[in-house]
Amino acid sequence: GAGVSQTPSNKVTEKGKYVELRCDPISGHTALYWYRQSLGQGPEFLIYFQGTGAADDSGLPNDRFFAVRPEGSVSTLKIQRTERGDSAVYLCASSLPSGVGELFFGEGSRLTVL
Amino acid sequence: QQQVKQSPQSLIVQKGGISIINCAYENTAFDYFPWYQQFPGKGPALLIAIRPDVSEKKEGRFTISFNKSAKQFSLHIMDSQPGDSATYFCAASYHSGTYKYIFGTGTRLKVLA
Repeated sequence: GAGVSQTPSNKVTEKGKYVELRCDPISGHTALYWYRQSLGQGPEFLIYFQGTGAADDSGLPNDRFFAVRPEGSVSTLKIQRTERGDSAVYLCASSLPSGVGELFFGEGSRLTVL
Repeated sequence: QQQVKQSPQSLIVQKGGISIINCAYENTAFDYFPWYQQFPGKGPALLIAIRPDVSEKKEGRFTISFNKSAKQFSLHIMDSQPGDSATYFCAASYHSGTYKYIFGTGTRLKVLA
């Protein structure tokens, strides 16, 4: 694919449920970022990977949030015991080794927690 | 200290006019200042970026003006077009070599035909 691919594009879940959001970065991109964008706000940094390891997870709001990138390509953001405040668009972005070139964002996964 | 304050929240400009969006920051350790453009239902896309050792950068109709002493930077869109109607975000990063950004709250620009 030409760009960053995120699935699902929309996810509606009930409070307390578990959700997984998937990101497929641009081929060859080794750096991968997750951001969260609440309605009417700018994106907020969550975590970034350089290869398989999380280089910085300081933006994860609490221990209900977890992300993995086991093979250094696809990443999954996992949210346990969802709360209504988790409702937002979750954006994934990728780049060549972090800081090189441009950061490319996907279209996001819109999560709604009822 | 970690915030990037952006104004105005919304902006309406006539076709052919100049759109100006302003941002201010506190943390002098910030060393990279990009502007992103976001259309509804899409992810943000990099428009133009500047480092603090430069006072101005121009790419086509888009110009960033940077005032290091005032800790402010602005985006100017010359000859604004209806296709420029989008939400614009300024951002700042102080982790050199990463894209760990602090984003502003966004400016919704509408250019009237």
